[in-house]
Amino acid sequence: KAGVTQTPRYLIKTRGQQVTLSCSPISGHRSVSWYQQTPGQGLQFLFEYFSETQRNKGNFPGRFSGRQFSNSRSEMNVSTLELGDSALYLCASSLTGQPNTGELFFGEGSRLTVL
Amino acid sequence: AQSVTQLGSHVSVSEGALVLLRCNYSSSVPPYLFWYVQYPNQGLQLLLKYTTGATLVKGINGFEAEFKKSETSFHLTKPSAHMSDAAEYFCAVSADTNAGKSTFGDGTTLTVKP
Repeated sequence: KAGVTQTPRYLIKTRGQQVTLSCSPISGHRSVSWYQQTPGQGLQFLFEYFSETQRNKGNFPGRFSGRQFSNSRSEMNVSTLELGDSALYLCASSLTGQPNTGELFFGEGSRLTVL
Repeated sequence: AQSVTQLGSHVSVSEGALVLLRCNYSSSVPPYLFWYVQYPNQGLQLLLKYTTGATLVKGINGFEAEFKKSETSFHLTKPSAHMSDAAEYFCAVSADTNAGKSTFGDGTTLTVKP
């Protein structure tokens, strides 16, 4: 079974630009979560999508948005990039059901550098 | 609300020595607890998890952890460290009602000396 796939793996943007990151979950997984990882803040939860609906949201500004498609693939977008947005963005999928233990399967991440 | 505290951002052990990484959690509901490992330039990989039942859980690569409710702890151990264990380790907590939203500790970097 293929793992979680994130594209692109690396990208460089300048302040003020926007970026879109893509995540393909493991086949059969309907929940997709996004996390931001930085040396100073660690792993911060951005949002979670399930069945094309945002189910949970972290404490990030509105410049961070996401969506999920009917095939469970997800994208996140960051508009008006700031230097502080430089981070590793991790996508994780999970198999929802009962009991829902919350075990996450992570992709390798998209490393964003904002200049 | 849930939170995780990992004691010690850096732990260094000699090859063959005991590995002990500490994790304490706070949760208002029965928690699900996890340990993940991250190698450089990679995503996180699940080592082990506690959901219900046996409080001593065994994971991959010889790691195990014990859930102690009275101490709100979920420490990770391995009897004998190997050079390949050098990585960053994250403890995480989630609840059934927010299963897609795990709260992570700040991570512990494990160094293994030859």
